[in-house]
Amino acid sequence: AQKVTQAQTEISVVEKEDVTLDCVYETRDTTYYLFWYKQPPSGELVFLIRRNSFDEQNEISGRYSWNFQKSTSSFNFTITASQVVDSAVYFCALRAFYNQGGKLIFGQGTELSVKP
Amino acid sequence: DGGITQSPKYLFRKEGQNVTLSCEQNLNHDAMYWYRQDPGQGLRLIYYSQIVNDFQKGDIAEGYSVSREKKESFPLTVTSAQKNPTAFYLCASSIVAGADSPLHFGNGTRLTVT
Repeated sequence: AQKVTQAQTEISVVEKEDVTLDCVYETRDTTYYLFWYKQPPSGELVFLIRRNSFDEQNEISGRYSWNFQKSTSSFNFTITASQVVDSAVYFCALRAFYNQGGKLIFGQGTELSVKP
Repeated sequence: DGGITQSPKYLFRKEGQNVTLSCEQNLNHDAMYWYRQDPGQGLRLIYYSQIVNDFQKGDIAEGYSVSREKKESFPLTVTSAQKNPTAFYLCASSIVAGADSPLHFGNGTRLTVT
C-alpha cells in the first residue's frame, strides 16, 4: 500500500521565521517520485518540486529547500525567512513508477499561516 | 496562455439533480484527472484518462461519470447517486500518464448540494 502522512495539520509562524513542513511516505516500490504542491487561497495547486527515489540530494530554490531521506522515508520542506505570501496549504504527494495511469497519492496537507 | 480552465467556480444544486463540471486544457496534454478535495482529507482521485475515448476509475468513482471525446476536454458529471457531493473539485492534466510527469491543476469548482 502507498500512503503519505503530513502530521502537521496547521502551522502558524511570524514573518521571517524559518518553518519546516514534514512529509512521511510509505511504499513498497523501489522506484517512485515525490512531489510538493502549494495551494494558495485561490484554490489552484501549484507544482513546486519533483524528486525521484534514486536522487537523495537536497535541493534549494531560493527560500525553499527540500530534504529527502530514504532511510526515514521522509521528504521535508523548509521555507527560510517566511513571508506572508507563503501562507497556503502545502501538499506532499507520492507516485510509484509502476502505477495505474499516473495516480498521485496525496497527504492530508499542512496549512501554513505566516503572520506579519 | 496555456492552462486548465474549470467552470464554473461556484456551483449550487438541489439534491437529486445531476450536475456537470467543465474542464478544458490547452496544454496539449494526453492525460487528465479529476480529484475531490474535502477538508482534512487531502485530494482523492475520482477518474483519470490517459487518452481520448478511454478513462479509468480512481479511488472514489461511485456516483460520478466522465467522458473524454476530445483531447482538451474532460467533463465530470456528479450524479444523484453520489451520497455526499458537496466538495471542492479539481481537474488536472499531465503530458503523459507517467510517474514523473507533474500534474497541472485548474482553479477548481466548489460544488454545494442542498
